[in-house]
Amino acid sequence: NAGVTQTPKFRVLKTGQSMTLLCAQDMNHEYMYWYRQDPGMGLRLIHYSVGEGTTAKGEVPDGYNVSRLKKQNFLLGLESAAPSQTSVYFCASSYPSAGRETQYFGPGTRLLVL
Amino acid sequence: RKEVEQDPGPFNVPEGATVAFNCTYSNSASQSFFWYRQDCRKEPKLLMSVYSSGNEDGRFTAQLNRASQYISLLIRDSKLSDSATYLCVVNGRNTGNQFYFGTGTSLTVIP
Repeated sequence: NAGVTQTPKFRVLKTGQSMTLLCAQDMNHEYMYWYRQDPGMGLRLIHYSVGEGTTAKGEVPDGYNVSRLKKQNFLLGLESAAPSQTSVYFCASSYPSAGRETQYFGPGTRLLVL
Repeated sequence: RKEVEQDPGPFNVPEGATVAFNCTYSNSASQSFFWYRQDCRKEPKLLMSVYSSGNEDGRFTAQLNRASQYISLLIRDSKLSDSATYLCVVNGRNTGNQFYFGTGTSLTVIP
């Protein structure tokens, strides 16, 4: 099993450009999450999904959109990138467990917006 | 006020030492608590869940104090391989699907 994979691993964007980050998991997990990690801020939840076709906002959703068209994939879109979106993005997945979920993380995507 | 607060450290300890990390959380309704470990430039990985009665996994002991809204992690007989950042994680107030991460406590074990 590959676990959770993320594409791309690293990307440089110019302000105003768009891009999509892809997260894929082969563990048949129901739940998937997108986080960003910034120095001094810890991981913050952007959006999450509790099943195919459903998404919900997390703590910092502005400037991002997501889609979960297939159970194994969770896409994070930046329509118009801003320097404030320079960060490391982690995707995670888990089985539902009434709030006790163990989250399995992908290796991260490092995004630099100039 | 942040949902989860941790002392960022860094903690530099010799091999074999015992070290303790603390974490406080702001929402008294939180139900689930975890410690994750994150190596430099890697993804976080679950170290252990924290149960109300406290729990132990080898050299690691986690404690929860609901009255003080405080979680701790104790590492005994530190190894060089324990060097990492330790993240305190608490589930959210409104749903069980939102987890709040502390900024992490950095540990370096010195030979």
